[in-house]
Amino acid sequence: GENVEQHPSTLSVQEGDSAVIKCTYSDSASNYFPWYKQELGKGPQLIIDIRSNVGEKKDQRIAVTLNKTAKHFSLHITETQPEDSAVYFCAASPTNFNKFYFGSGTKLNVKP
Amino acid sequence: DSGVTQTPKHLITATGQRVTLRCSPRSGDLSVYWYQQSLDQGLQFLIQYYNGEERAKGNILERFSAQQFPDLHSELNLSSLELGDSALYFCASSPGPGDEQFFGPGTRLTVL
Repeated sequence: GENVEQHPSTLSVQEGDSAVIKCTYSDSASNYFPWYKQELGKGPQLIIDIRSNVGEKKDQRIAVTLNKTAKHFSLHITETQPEDSAVYFCAASPTNFNKFYFGSGTKLNVKP
Repeated sequence: DSGVTQTPKHLITATGQRVTLRCSPRSGDLSVYWYQQSLDQGLQFLIQYYNGEERAKGNILERFSAQQFPDLHSELNLSSLELGDSALYFCASSPGPGDEQFFGPGTRLTVL
């Protein structure tokens, strides 16, 4: 089955700096890659996703890049703010969206 | 508030017991997903339903079962509970496979 690895497990940045979280996957059949933000005591929330026919997608301060050849994808957050502090999860899913495989999570701390 | 409701919020039970977790999807969503989140295993996909039919199984133990009812709410049944089943159980819903998933607030299960 699919194996998704996520790094780093913790990330501390100064407010205003950029943060990058990286994930790799093993199954070439995966072609949908969502990113979730989970705040303390809440369920995960989708923040951005990318499909394999696209190399990059941007939404305001958040961007995701995908390299299908190397089987890795990354989340980029620019101009970080204290409210960006949370746990971020990457995930991968095959074409028919029947299963979802998650990375182990990255705890992001943005220091004011 | 995602619009997905889960009950109960907390559940404390003993080993060997059976419990039922309930999920009500957002209005109009036909797909329901169940996930288990534990400290050592991260976020694990358990099972997906679409319009009452099981669509995919992930890492769901044989002691666990689920169903989606005609009114689209779903229940996850956990039996012969073990200490290791203690975790947060999330339900998510989406209009259909491949659409954005909206997570509920979770049910925290503690097995003593």
